[in-house]
Amino acid sequence: GENVEQHPSTLSVQEGDSAVIKCTYSDSASNYFPWYKQELGKRPQLIIDIRSNVGEKKDQRIAVTLNKTAKHFSLHITETQPEDSAVYFCAAKDNQGGKLIFGQGTELSVKP
Amino acid sequence: EADIYQTPRYLVIGTGKKITLECSQTMGHDKMYWYQQDPGMELHLIHYSYGVNSTEKGDLSSESTVSRIRTEHFPLTLESARPSHTSQYLCASSDILGGKAFFGQGTRLTVV
Repeated sequence: GENVEQHPSTLSVQEGDSAVIKCTYSDSASNYFPWYKQELGKRPQLIIDIRSNVGEKKDQRIAVTLNKTAKHFSLHITETQPEDSAVYFCAAKDNQGGKLIFGQGTELSVKP
Repeated sequence: EADIYQTPRYLVIGTGKKITLECSQTMGHDKMYWYQQDPGMELHLIHYSYGVNSTEKGDLSSESTVSRIRTEHFPLTLESARPSHTSQYLCASSDILGGKAFFGQGTRLTVV
């Protein structure tokens, strides 16, 4: 089955700086890669996703890149703001039935 | 408004009690999932369902059981709760393609 590794586990940046979170996956047949943001005490919320037929997708300050050959994908947040502070999870859709398998999570702290 | 509803939000029970965590969705989704999450930690898939009368165990072994008699309803049952079951349980659903998944608010279970 699919296995997703996420790094780093914690990330601290100054407001206005960029943040990058990286994930690798094991199943080359996986074709869907979403990113979720979970604020303290709240449910995970989908913030951006990418399918395997594209290499990059951008939505305002956030972007995701996908390298199918290397089996890794990354989340990029530019001009970070304190409200970006949260735990971010990457995920990959398991090709065996379409289960979503999550990475370990990254706790992002944006210091004002 | 289409959403996923979990009840109860918080539950404190004694060891040995039988409990059922409720999850209902009005998203019209076929796939539903249960994840177990300790605070700020990884999302572990414990059960999933592709549709009515279809249930499978996830990657994390769990003593809980699930049923899917109706498309919109996916309850999780613990026959005899133990302190090791203390955790947050998140229900999610996605369309038949298994793409965008949406989460419920979660049930925070404490077994004393």
